[in-house]
Amino acid sequence: DTGVSQDPRHKITKRGQNVTFRCDPISEHNRLYWYRQTLGQGPEFLTYFQNEAQLEKSRLLSDRFSAERPKGSFSTLEIQRTEQGDSAMYLCASSSGVAEQYFGPGTRLTVT
Amino acid sequence: QKEVEQNSGPLSVPEGAIASLNCTYSDRGSQSFFWYRQYSGKSPELIMSIYSNGDKEDGRFTAQLNKASQYVSLLIRDSQPSDSATYLCAVTPLGRTGGFKTIFGAGTRLFVKA
Repeated sequence: DTGVSQDPRHKITKRGQNVTFRCDPISEHNRLYWYRQTLGQGPEFLTYFQNEAQLEKSRLLSDRFSAERPKGSFSTLEIQRTEQGDSAMYLCASSSGVAEQYFGPGTRLTVT
Repeated sequence: QKEVEQNSGPLSVPEGAIASLNCTYSDRGSQSFFWYRQYSGKSPELIMSIYSNGDKEDGRFTAQLNKASQYVSLLIRDSQPSDSATYLCAVTPLGRTGGFKTIFGAGTRLFVKA
């Protein structure tokens, strides 16, 4: 059973550096979502793709964040010029159409 | 007003009891409703989905939806210590593109005492 995978699982970076995370969805899923979660909070929506098209992006997402899904399969999330406030768990989820979303294990980012 | 509200808890129940978790949402146009379980340090795991008014049962879990009251709940029967986790309510409003930004509540922490 190949679920959603994310890489890396942990990332420690210094403030001001760029980081990139990868998500591989369940193979038959056409929708892919990125969320950010901090301690004591639920996942916060960042953006989602239907196939290769980015259909919605949170207004909370600054210009330092960008996501791509070039061939409608895997996706990358890049954070430029990281700040300490970016420290969080970054979660990827996928779904088939508008059905239930299944989450990957997440990438924990620590900005020092 | 938060879009999806949950009591943060902790909710403590004895083993074998029924745990009742509640969630309210603000967008009347919401179409899809989900309950996720999240253990500490892990990612959310889907437990139940519900799309129409009424009850939906799956094993020890029952989801209840009342769109008129903008209320969704999760009942866990015969609670076990392994059910101790944070339960996240998630709601998908109807987006302008036709879909579908899912909004999560902050979660309710449940402790089941052995």
